[in-house]
Amino acid sequence: EAQVTQNPRYLITVTGKKLTVTCSQNMNHEYMSWYRQDPGLGLRQIYYSMNVEVTDKGDVPEGYKVSRKEKRNFPLILESPSPNQTSLYFCASKLLPSGNTIYFGEGSWLTVV
Amino acid sequence: KQEVTQIPAALSVPEGENLVLNCSFTDSAIYNLQWFRQDPGKGLTSLLLIQSSQREQTSGRLNASLDKSSGRSTLYIAASQPGDSATYLCAVAHYTGANSKLTFGKGITLSVRP
Repeated sequence: EAQVTQNPRYLITVTGKKLTVTCSQNMNHEYMSWYRQDPGLGLRQIYYSMNVEVTDKGDVPEGYKVSRKEKRNFPLILESPSPNQTSLYFCASKLLPSGNTIYFGEGSWLTVV
Repeated sequence: KQEVTQIPAALSVPEGENLVLNCSFTDSAIYNLQWFRQDPGKGLTSLLLIQSSQREQTSGRLNASLDKSSGRSTLYIAASQPGDSATYLCAVAHYTGANSKLTFGKGITLSVRP
């Protein structure tokens, strides 16, 4: 079954404690991306990757890092989380070229206290 | 900068009504538009994808249309049911530099009353 899998699904952490949200897809997709969803602001892109070792900033990259060492994995790293990073995070992937359907993970609820 | 608008933010209808959800976007240079459904606390489920060269797509009781030149799309839901209650998001796919990007509207929260 085609899947985008995120872990953890739910996490409460403290300010400043580094954390990683993993994302894995089993569809051999080149393109992967991270979004955050906040009330009143909708979904906004954090980072994206067009292929292995090719990553770039989206609209709201501050406070986040990503890496793409393997095609299937695209982890989101919060080096020093702050309360304004409390949000619902989605990982997505799709096959290039760009006209193809994008697939989303189930989301990761992150609370930073 | 591409902007996507969905109005109203919330809609409540009685069961059985046919309804239309609207989406507008500011830049017609898109390569597709996608409608998603999101249930509370859940991820995004893709409902319909319309390529820029297409005018509409249908799936069951859902029909989505695209008028790229006017920057509009509609999602038509026939014979609405309580199970259709969810938030509906539209998103346009476009390039910004090398980024194959989706820009989302903020969604329409639909409630279908039994």
